[in-house]
Amino acid sequence: AQSVAQPEDQVNVAEGNPLTVKCTYSVSGNPYLFWYVQYPNRGLQFLLKYITGDNLVKGSYGFEAEFNKSQTSFHLKKPSALVSDSALYFCAVRDMDDYKLSFGAGTTVTVRA
Amino acid sequence: GAVVSQHPSWVICKSGTSVKIECRSLDFQATTMFWYRQFPKQSLMLMATSNEGSKATYEQGVEKDKFLINHASLTLSTLTVTSAHPEDSSFYICSALPPSGRPLNEQFFGPGTRLTVL
Repeated sequence: AQSVAQPEDQVNVAEGNPLTVKCTYSVSGNPYLFWYVQYPNRGLQFLLKYITGDNLVKGSYGFEAEFNKSQTSFHLKKPSALVSDSALYFCAVRDMDDYKLSFGAGTTVTVRA
Repeated sequence: GAVVSQHPSWVICKSGTSVKIECRSLDFQATTMFWYRQFPKQSLMLMATSNEGSKATYEQGVEKDKFLINHASLTLSTLTVTSAHPEDSSFYICSALPPSGRPLNEQFFGPGTRLTVL
């Protein structure tokens, strides 16, 4: 079985400050990890993924995430948040042998001007 | 990038009627598509996996007779909510998985369909 935990329902930051959205995962085999963003009444937009290789993954819109195998974490980060980054963020995991994605509960990010 | 569309984007129907939602991969062929359901401010819950030319695989607790899935071609999967009731009101999202480059491929998500049953 695979699962994802996003411990924070909400993250509030001021524009220009660093943004971190936490994610931990559980999977039986090697994990494939993903971050998606969702704006109101819209589908999911892909931000970045970790499959293998470098633990630091860079993605769209200035986001990056670091895969930490020992801590089973895949936290999303952005050095300087923008008001337009305000949205709902989902972390997802799949086992390398399965195409099904398991999503975390989501974290609402609010960036205040 | 790969584009997935859904139609309609929103629909309002009366209780007891059936509603069909289409999911199309516009610029790639998808042998596998997924249907998710999302309640307000909640996560996506996988309902079923749709495979072209075969029966869909439903997740535990999802009524296959209520949520009919047809994946008739490599670019189209449909979800029909039969005899809809207010509790079926939700945001339905599909995703498509390109066949090439397995198993590293990511799912590409549609924009979602908001269903409201009165």
